[in-house]
Formats: sequence, C-alpha cells, structure tokens
Amino acid sequence: DAKTTQPTSMDCAEGRAANLPCNHSTISGNEYVYWYRQIHSQGPQYIIHGLKNNETNEMASLIITEDRKSSTLILPHATLRDTAVYYCIVRVSGWFGNEKLTFGTGTRLTIIP
Amino acid sequence: DSGVTQTPKHLITATGQRVTLRCSPRSGDLSVYWYQQSLDQGLQFLIQYYNGEERAKGNILERFSAQQFPDLHSELNLSSLELGDSALYFCASSAGTSGSGANEQFFGPGTRLTVL
Repeated sequence: DAKTTQPTSMDCAEGRAANLPCNHSTISGNEYVYWYRQIHSQGPQYIIHGLKNNETNEMASLIITEDRKSSTLILPHATLRDTAVYYCIVRVSGWFGNEKLTFGTGTRLTIIP
Repeated sequence: DSGVTQTPKHLITATGQRVTLRCSPRSGDLSVYWYQQSLDQGLQFLIQYYNGEERAKGNILERFSAQQFPDLHSELNLSSLELGDSALYFCASSAGTSGSGANEQFFGPGTRLTVL
C-alpha cells in the first residue's frame, strides 16, 4: 500500500472549515484514499473514502487532485467534537488484496472555541 | 455506535498470564480484524479473519492467536503476557463481500489491557 504524509498537528477555529491535507505521491491506480479519525482513545471512526472523484457525505468532503497524488479532507463547520487524530490511509481496493488498514501517525486536529 | 462490540472493556492481569478478548462484528459482516494500539507503536494490524478462515496476518506475535467462530464472533488470545503487551486492542469488521471494492471497516470501542 502507498505511503501517506500528513502534518503532525493543526488547529481550526470552531465553526470554520477544517482542511486536512494528505500527500500520497506513490498511489497506484487501484488504491482508494480512506479517512478515519480517532477521538481520544475510542475506536477509529470511518469518515469517507474515494478513488478518483470528489466525494461528500454527511460528515465531510474529500477532494482528490486530478493526478491523485494528494487529497484534502474538509470538515465544513468544525465543532469541538471534531477534535481528534485524523488518519489518511491508502489501500488497494479491498477484496482481492490484503484488506488491512495501515495507520500512520495522522494529524492531530484541535478545534479552538 | 459502530455496531461492533468488544468485551471486556478493561483487563488487568499479571505477566505470564493468558487472556482472551472477544469481538462481535456488525450484523452481516463476514470479516473481522484485530489491531493493537500501544503508545510507542501506534495502531498496528494484527490479523484478519473472513467467514471463519484466517485471511491475512500482520505483525502478530507467536504468543498471540485468534479465531473466528461459526457465528462470526472472534476471539484474540494473548498468552505468556509481558509488560509490553499493555495496549488498546481494537476489533473491526467489514462486509468483506467479493467485488464490493472499498470495504470500510467499523471499529469497536476496544479492550484496554494492562499487564502488571
């Protein structure tokens, strides 16, 4: 699976959009970009995933560049409950390969009141 | 609530002992994964089962073993425990159905193991 690079930490004001970048320059054509977050010591929570196109769900939006070498997770209106470690993970599409998730160190996002 | 349950929530034991952690996947999910999160190693994949069979192995120690039962719940057995085995152990499940592309994994709340 391709390696990802994320900033160690970020701050965002409550109510503003939080934009979390991720570089995955060695991503291959059949690899998805996943985002998970972990609030304190809770189990990681799935946020969103994408292959090529931008994706949006009730939690966030995922913007993937055209060359797929980087992506940005957007939390449109950050709240204090969004304070967490956010993990960007690149993984070969599930069934035919190893379905494990390889977690890096992630970005510690702190929402400031 | 992810739908994945893990028991117990906390476990305190002594070095050399053996413990069993239990996981019940989301209803209908066939794949179960075990991850370990320690302070110095971060979140690491241990092992995956699909419909009762081992599918993938990560950096799982030989002292650790797992199985998935016919009702799809899974157990992680940790033996000859050492101080360094103290960690959070998470179970995750996914649908794991063929051709479904990106199978998102849903994590349980974890079991905090403390080895004294």
